[in-house]
Amino acid sequence: DAGITQSPRYKITETGRQVTLMCHQTWSHSYMFWYRQDLGHGLRLIYYSAAADITDKGEVPDGYVVSRSKTENFPLTLESATRSQTSVYFCASISNEKLFFGSGTQLSVL
Amino acid sequence: GESVGLHLPTLSVQEGDNSIINCAYSNSASDYFIWYKQESGKGPQFIIDIRSNMDKRQGQRVTVLLNKTVKHLSLQIAATQPGDSAVYFCAETSLAGGSEKLVFGKGTKLTVNP
Repeated sequence: DAGITQSPRYKITETGRQVTLMCHQTWSHSYMFWYRQDLGHGLRLIYYSAAADITDKGEVPDGYVVSRSKTENFPLTLESATRSQTSVYFCASISNEKLFFGSGTQLSVL
Repeated sequence: GESVGLHLPTLSVQEGDNSIINCAYSNSASDYFIWYKQESGKGPQFIIDIRSNMDKRQGQRVTVLLNKTVKHLSLQIAATQPGDSAVYFCAETSLAGGSEKLVFGKGTKLTVNP
């Protein structure tokens, strides 16, 4: 039972580079989410998706792009990474109002 | 120097004691509340939830209490074990508003001393 798998686990990149964080779920849940977690802010929603080809902005979407061509995949792209995007990123899906999170990607932008 | 808001509230307990973690929520329209546990280096994990038509809900070694009058939520962990050491945070939402409206608290770090 793999659940939600995020990759990579750790990523170091430079300012201005494009970075894609991957998220894959094995449950076929309709809704998927991307959060970032920063000390002092808790979890903040970046983007979410209600189904394949349906995505919408969350609380902090600027600088991020998402796509959902298949139900099981929900990649998050930083088009031009900035230092303020250094964070831990969590992907999640939902079932019966309960969020199930992946293990996270720790991203450092130098 | 230290910046306000960058450090989690902490709770330190002895193994075997009961732990109580508190959470104040902000939206009086919220009718669904969840507690999550996050161990170091892992994603948050669902512990227990409660709807606003209840004041108390019990799980295995955990109890959630809801006081709507003062907008307060608490998580009680009985006979705390070293494996309970983690950051705990609450989340609130309105079931009518959709899952994207889930608002998370900043968390409390629980340390269990053997």
